[in-house]
Amino acid sequence: DAGVTQSPTHLIKTRGQQVTLRCSPISGHKSVSWYQQVLGQGPQFIFQYYEKEERGRGNFPDRFSARQFPNYSSELNVNALLLGDSALYLCASSSRIRLLNFSGLNEKLFFGSGTQLSVL
Amino acid sequence: AQSVTQPDIHITVSEGASLELRCNYSYGATPYLFWYVQSPGQGLQLLLKYFSGDTLVQGIKGFEAEFKRSQSSFNLRKPSVHWSDAAEYFCAIASGTYKYIFGTGTRLKVLA
Repeated sequence: DAGVTQSPTHLIKTRGQQVTLRCSPISGHKSVSWYQQVLGQGPQFIFQYYEKEERGRGNFPDRFSARQFPNYSSELNVNALLLGDSALYLCASSSRIRLLNFSGLNEKLFFGSGTQLSVL
Repeated sequence: AQSVTQPDIHITVSEGASLELRCNYSYGATPYLFWYVQSPGQGLQLLLKYFSGDTLVQGIKGFEAEFKRSQSSFNLRKPSVHWSDAAEYFCAIASGTYKYIFGTGTRLKVLA
């Protein structure tokens, strides 16, 4: 079975541009979360979507937006890029909306390998 | 405020030696705690998790972690490190029902 897939793997943009990152969850997973990982830091939560609705938002400016499609894939959009937006963007999927009800190691957040965004 | 602290940015151990990675958390209620590993160019892989019950949790790849409420700690251990364990390790706590808060990570180097 395919895991969480993200595209593109690498991206270079200039300040002020807009970028769209894509994520395909594991088949059957309805929840998609986005995290930003700046070099030398741990991942920071951006959004969670479940059944095409935003269920949670982290402390990020309105330049960051996302959506989830009927097939549960998701896009993360960042407008007016800043140098500080350079990071690894991770997508994660799960079968549940609540991340506290997992039992066993097979129920969990499954992470993709990420999209490395460089803003010049 | 909820937070996770990993005091060690880098740790170097020899292959075959034991390993302990430290994690301290701040959370008002019963914490849901996780350890993840990230290899270069890879996403995060879950090693183990603690929700309740036995405070000593067994995970994959021979890792274990012990939850100590009195010390607000959830340290990761492995009795004998292999060269393939070299990676970055993240401790995380579930904050609310839909997001995790991660620590800043500990980069493990293994000497042959």
